[in-house]
Amino acid sequence: DGGITQSPKYLFRKEGQNVTLSCEQNLNHDAMYWYRQDPGQGLRLIYYSQIVNDFQKGDIAEGYSVSREKKESFPLTVTSAQKNPTAFYLCASTSDRSSYNEQFFGPGTRLTVL
Amino acid sequence: GDSVTQMEGPVTLSEEAFLTINCTYTATGYPSLFWYVQYPGEGLQLLLKATKADDKGSNKGFEATYRKETTSFHLEKGSVQVSDSAVYFCALRRETSGSRLTFGEGTQLTVNP
Repeated sequence: DGGITQSPKYLFRKEGQNVTLSCEQNLNHDAMYWYRQDPGQGLRLIYYSQIVNDFQKGDIAEGYSVSREKKESFPLTVTSAQKNPTAFYLCASTSDRSSYNEQFFGPGTRLTVL
Repeated sequence: GDSVTQMEGPVTLSEEAFLTINCTYTATGYPSLFWYVQYPGEGLQLLLKATKADDKGSNKGFEATYRKETTSFHLEKGSVQVSDSAVYFCALRRETSGSRLTFGEGTQLTVNP
C-alpha cells in the first residue's frame, strides 16, 4: 500500500542532543512538508521541499534542519538550538499533478526532550 | 497574510446530536478550502474539500459549503457518533501558494454515548 511512514512513533532525547526524525513516502509525490503540532494549537509549517535537492523554510524553521537527497525521503533534524522541541511532528506530501494538491499525512512522531 | 479561524473548543455532544464547527478565513483571491480530521495519536486525514464559491464538500455524513460572501466553510453533520470523536482542522490553500496549507487551531470534538 502507498503511504507515508514516520519513525519512530515515540522518541525521547536528553536536552542538548540533536535528533533526526524519519519521513518516507512511496506515493511518488514531489512535495514534502514538516509540521509541528502543540496542544491546543494548529499545525505550524517548519520546512517544505517542492523537489529533490531543494527546500524552503516555513514559519518556524529556527532550530531545525532538513535534507532532500531522495524524492522518497525528507528527514528532519531537531537541533539543540530549538528552545522547546517537545511536540508532535507530522510529515506530509503532495503531488503537483493533483488538481486539489491534497496533502497526505504520516502518523506522526511524538518527541519528548527530558 | 492568510489565516483561518475556528470556533473555540472543546465541543462535547451526545450521540445523534447535530454538529456545527465554525470556520472563517482571510485570504486574497479564491482559495481552496479543506477540513481535515485527526483521530487520537494519528496524523491528519482529509475529510472534505471545496475549490470554488458555493461548492459543497461532503464525506461520511459531514458537509461544508464554501461561502465567499461570508468567507466561511462551516462543518456540519446531522447526527454524530461516538466514533466521530476527534480533532477537526479547517485549512486553506491560496492559488498562488503552490500546495502550502494554512491551518486553523483545530477543534476537539467529544461525542458521548
